Amino acid sequence: SAVISQKPSRDICQRGTSLTIQCQVDSQVTMMFWYRQQPGQSLTLIATANQGSEATYESGFVIDKFPISRPNLTFSTLTVSNMSPEDSSIYLCSAKDLAKNIQYFGAGTRLSVL
Amino acid sequence: DAKTTQPPSMDCAEGRAANLPCNHSTISGNEYVYWYRQIHSQGPQYIIHGLKNNETNEMASLIITEDRKSSTLILPHATLRDTAVYYCIVRPAEYGNKLVFGAGTILRVKS
Repeated sequence: SAVISQKPSRDICQRGTSLTIQCQVDSQVTMMFWYRQQPGQSLTLIATANQGSEATYESGFVIDKFPISRPNLTFSTLTVSNMSPEDSSIYLCSAKDLAKNIQYFGAGTRLSVL
Repeated sequence: DAKTTQPPSMDCAEGRAANLPCNHSTISGNEYVYWYRQIHSQGPQYIIHGLKNNETNEMASLIITEDRKSSTLILPHATLRDTAVYYCIVRPAEYGNKLVFGAGTILRVKS
Protein backbone atom coordinates (compact mmCIF):
# COMPACT_ATOMS: atom_id res chain seq x y z
CA SER A 1 0.00 0.00 0.00
CA ALA A 2 1.07 3.59 -0.53
CA VAL A 3 2.71 5.23 2.47
CA ILE A 4 1.68 8.84 2.97
CA SER A 5 3.75 11.17 5.13
CA GLN A 6 2.40 14.45 6.40
CA LYS A 7 4.15 17.21 8.23
CA PRO A 8 3.81 18.79 10.60
CA SER A 9 1.90 16.20 12.60
CA ARG A 10 0.50 18.93 14.82
CA ASP A 11 0.79 22.66 15.31
CA ILE A 12 -0.60 25.45 17.42
CA CYS A 13 -1.02 28.70 15.52
CA GLN A 14 -2.11 32.23 16.19
CA ARG A 15 -5.20 33.76 14.70
CA GLY A 16 -4.55 35.52 11.39
CA THR A 17 -1.48 33.49 10.44
CA SER A 18 -1.15 30.79 7.77
CA LEU A 19 0.13 27.22 7.94
CA THR A 20 1.35 25.06 5.07
CA ILE A 21 0.98 21.29 5.41
CA GLN A 22 3.12 19.02 3.29
CA CYS A 23 2.18 15.60 1.98
CA GLN A 24 4.60 13.13 0.43
CA VAL A 25 3.64 9.77 -1.07
CA ASP A 26 6.20 7.01 -1.42
CA SER A 27 4.97 5.81 -4.80
CA GLN A 28 3.43 7.34 -7.85
CA VAL A 29 -0.28 7.75 -7.46
CA THR A 30 -2.90 9.11 -9.80
CA MET A 31 -4.89 11.37 -7.54
CA MET A 32 -4.32 13.26 -4.31
CA PHE A 33 -6.94 14.74 -2.02
CA TRP A 34 -7.19 16.90 1.08
CA TYR A 35 -9.78 16.33 3.80
CA ARG A 36 -10.73 18.15 6.96
CA GLN A 37 -12.04 16.51 10.11
CA GLN A 38 -13.52 18.89 12.62
CA PRO A 39 -13.68 17.82 16.27
CA GLY A 40 -16.10 14.94 16.76
CA GLN A 41 -17.08 14.91 13.08
CA SER A 42 -16.52 12.73 10.05
CA LEU A 43 -14.17 13.61 7.22
CA THR A 44 -15.08 16.30 4.71
CA LEU A 45 -13.37 16.55 1.34
CA ILE A 46 -11.76 19.95 0.76
CA ALA A 47 -10.36 19.48 -2.73
CA THR A 48 -8.68 17.27 -5.28
CA ALA A 49 -5.07 18.28 -5.87
CA ASN A 50 -4.31 18.26 -9.60
CA GLN A 51 -0.78 17.94 -10.86
CA GLY A 52 0.39 21.11 -12.55
CA SER A 53 -2.97 22.86 -12.46
CA GLU A 54 -5.42 24.43 -10.04
CA ALA A 55 -7.05 22.18 -7.50
CA THR A 56 -10.71 21.23 -7.77
CA TYR A 57 -12.56 22.48 -4.69
CA GLU A 58 -15.68 21.07 -3.11
CA SER A 59 -18.65 23.22 -2.28
CA GLY A 60 -17.91 25.46 0.68
CA PHE A 61 -14.14 25.56 0.17
CA VAL A 62 -12.30 28.26 -1.78
CA ILE A 63 -8.81 28.67 -3.12
CA ASP A 64 -8.11 31.90 -1.25
CA LYS A 65 -8.63 30.14 2.08
CA PHE A 66 -7.11 26.75 1.19
CA PRO A 67 -4.54 27.16 -1.59
CA ILE A 68 -3.22 23.79 -2.77
CA SER A 69 -0.23 22.89 -4.87
CA ARG A 70 0.82 19.64 -6.50
CA PRO A 71 4.05 20.18 -8.41
CA ASN A 72 4.58 16.47 -9.15
CA LEU A 73 2.91 13.09 -8.83
CA THR A 74 4.02 12.38 -5.27
CA PHE A 75 3.94 15.73 -3.43
CA SER A 76 1.25 18.20 -2.46
CA THR A 77 0.78 21.07 -0.03
CA LEU A 78 -2.29 22.56 1.61
CA THR A 79 -2.16 26.03 3.12
CA VAL A 80 -4.71 27.14 5.67
CA SER A 81 -4.75 30.92 5.31
CA ASN A 82 -5.70 33.70 7.69
CA MET A 83 -6.60 31.19 10.35
CA SER A 84 -9.31 31.55 12.94
CA PRO A 85 -10.22 29.23 15.83
CA GLU A 86 -12.90 27.67 13.59
CA ASP A 87 -10.08 26.23 11.47
CA SER A 88 -8.97 24.03 14.36
CA SER A 89 -9.27 20.55 12.85
CA ILE A 90 -7.35 17.56 11.65
CA TYR A 91 -6.26 17.95 8.03
CA LEU A 92 -5.65 14.72 6.14
CA CYS A 93 -3.88 14.03 2.89
CA SER A 94 -5.05 11.12 0.78
CA ALA A 95 -3.84 9.46 -2.40
CA LYS A 96 -5.47 7.03 -4.78
CA ASP A 97 -3.66 4.03 -6.19
CA LEU A 98 -5.42 3.57 -9.49
CA ALA A 99 -4.02 0.09 -10.10
CA LYS A 100 -5.61 -1.15 -6.88
CA ASN A 101 -8.53 1.30 -6.94
CA ILE A 102 -7.80 2.06 -3.29
CA GLN A 103 -7.44 5.43 -1.59
CA TYR A 104 -4.93 5.71 1.26
CA PHE A 105 -4.63 8.30 4.01
CA GLY A 106 -1.88 9.99 5.93
CA ALA A 107 -1.91 10.24 9.71
CA GLY A 108 -3.17 13.81 9.57
CA THR A 109 -2.08 17.20 10.84
CA ARG A 110 -3.75 18.29 14.06
CA LEU A 111 -4.15 22.07 13.96
CA SER A 112 -5.17 24.24 16.89
CA VAL A 113 -5.75 27.94 16.33
CA LEU A 114 -5.69 30.28 19.31
CA ASP B 1 -22.88 8.61 -5.29
CA ALA B 2 -25.25 6.28 -3.46
CA LYS B 3 -25.96 7.00 0.20
CA THR B 4 -25.18 4.51 2.94
CA THR B 5 -26.88 3.92 6.27
CA GLN B 6 -25.03 2.46 9.23
CA PRO B 7 -25.97 2.05 12.89
CA PRO B 8 -24.34 4.78 14.97
CA SER B 9 -22.73 2.35 17.40
CA MET B 10 -22.24 -1.33 18.22
CA ASP B 11 -20.62 -3.35 20.96
CA CYS B 12 -18.78 -6.63 20.56
CA ALA B 13 -17.13 -8.98 23.01
CA GLU B 14 -13.43 -9.57 22.57
CA GLY B 15 -12.73 -12.76 20.64
CA ARG B 16 -16.16 -12.87 19.06
CA ALA B 17 -17.02 -11.99 15.48
CA ALA B 18 -18.04 -8.38 14.85
CA ASN B 19 -20.68 -8.01 12.14
CA LEU B 20 -21.14 -4.46 10.95
CA PRO B 21 -24.12 -3.84 8.65
CA CYS B 22 -24.45 -1.24 5.93
CA ASN B 23 -27.48 -0.37 3.84
CA HIS B 24 -26.96 1.03 0.34
CA SER B 25 -30.31 0.48 -1.31
CA THR B 26 -29.70 3.04 -4.09
CA ILE B 27 -26.38 1.57 -5.21
CA SER B 28 -25.74 1.59 -8.95
CA GLY B 29 -24.35 -1.27 -10.97
CA ASN B 30 -20.91 0.29 -11.32
CA GLU B 31 -20.47 1.30 -7.68
CA TYR B 32 -18.14 -0.53 -5.35
CA VAL B 33 -18.61 -0.94 -1.61
CA TYR B 34 -15.59 0.20 0.42
CA TRP B 35 -14.92 -0.17 4.12
CA TYR B 36 -12.48 1.96 6.09
CA ARG B 37 -11.89 2.37 9.77
CA GLN B 38 -10.46 5.17 11.86
CA ILE B 39 -8.86 4.40 15.15
CA HIS B 40 -8.77 7.36 17.50
CA SER B 41 -6.37 10.11 16.42
CA GLN B 42 -5.23 8.23 13.31
CA GLY B 43 -5.95 8.57 9.61
CA PRO B 44 -8.55 6.26 8.04
CA GLN B 45 -7.31 2.77 7.26
CA TYR B 46 -8.48 0.82 4.22
CA ILE B 47 -10.04 -2.53 5.11
CA ILE B 48 -11.66 -4.10 2.07
CA HIS B 49 -13.82 -3.41 -0.97
CA GLY B 50 -16.01 -5.35 -3.38
CA LEU B 51 -18.44 -5.06 -6.25
CA LYS B 52 -20.82 -8.01 -6.00
CA ASN B 53 -18.85 -11.05 -4.92
CA ASN B 54 -17.96 -11.70 -1.32
CA GLU B 55 -14.38 -10.73 -0.49
CA THR B 56 -11.94 -11.81 2.19
CA ASN B 57 -8.50 -10.57 3.16
CA GLU B 58 -6.27 -10.78 6.20
CA MET B 59 -8.29 -8.19 8.05
CA ALA B 60 -11.92 -8.94 7.33
CA SER B 61 -14.63 -10.43 5.13
CA LEU B 62 -17.15 -8.48 3.12
CA ILE B 63 -20.51 -10.06 2.43
CA ILE B 64 -22.66 -8.33 -0.21
CA THR B 65 -26.26 -9.39 -0.68
CA GLU B 66 -27.31 -10.68 -4.06
CA ASP B 67 -29.35 -7.56 -4.81
CA ARG B 68 -26.37 -5.44 -3.64
CA LYS B 69 -28.60 -3.28 -1.48
CA SER B 70 -26.76 -4.10 1.72
CA SER B 71 -23.50 -5.52 2.95
CA THR B 72 -21.85 -6.74 6.14
CA LEU B 73 -18.27 -6.33 7.24
CA ILE B 74 -17.11 -9.21 9.40
CA LEU B 75 -14.14 -9.04 11.75
CA PRO B 76 -13.81 -12.73 12.62
CA HIS B 77 -12.14 -12.45 16.02
CA ALA B 78 -12.44 -8.92 17.34
CA THR B 79 -9.74 -7.58 19.64
CA LEU B 80 -9.60 -4.43 21.74
CA ARG B 81 -7.48 -2.84 19.02
CA ASP B 82 -10.42 -3.12 16.62
CA THR B 83 -12.29 -0.45 18.58
CA ALA B 84 -12.74 2.29 15.96
CA VAL B 85 -15.20 4.13 13.74
CA TYR B 86 -16.05 2.00 10.70
CA TYR B 87 -17.12 3.70 7.48
CA CYS B 88 -19.06 2.04 4.67
CA ILE B 89 -18.77 4.00 1.41
CA VAL B 90 -20.05 3.34 -2.09
CA ARG B 91 -18.18 4.81 -5.02
CA PRO B 92 -17.99 4.30 -8.77
CA ALA B 93 -14.82 2.75 -10.04
CA GLU B 94 -14.14 5.41 -12.63
CA TYR B 95 -11.09 7.60 -12.54
CA GLY B 96 -11.79 10.84 -10.71
CA ASN B 97 -14.25 9.66 -8.14
CA LYS B 98 -13.42 10.41 -4.56
CA LEU B 99 -14.45 8.95 -1.23
CA VAL B 100 -17.26 10.71 0.58
CA PHE B 101 -17.51 9.79 4.26
CA GLY B 102 -20.67 9.45 6.30
CA ALA B 103 -20.94 9.27 10.07
CA GLY B 104 -19.91 5.61 10.30
CA THR B 105 -20.41 3.07 13.10
CA ILE B 106 -18.52 3.30 16.37
CA LEU B 107 -17.51 -0.25 17.24
CA ARG B 108 -16.56 -0.83 20.85
CA VAL B 109 -14.83 -4.13 21.57
CA LYS B 110 -15.09 -5.02 25.23
CA SER B 111 -13.17 -7.54 27.29
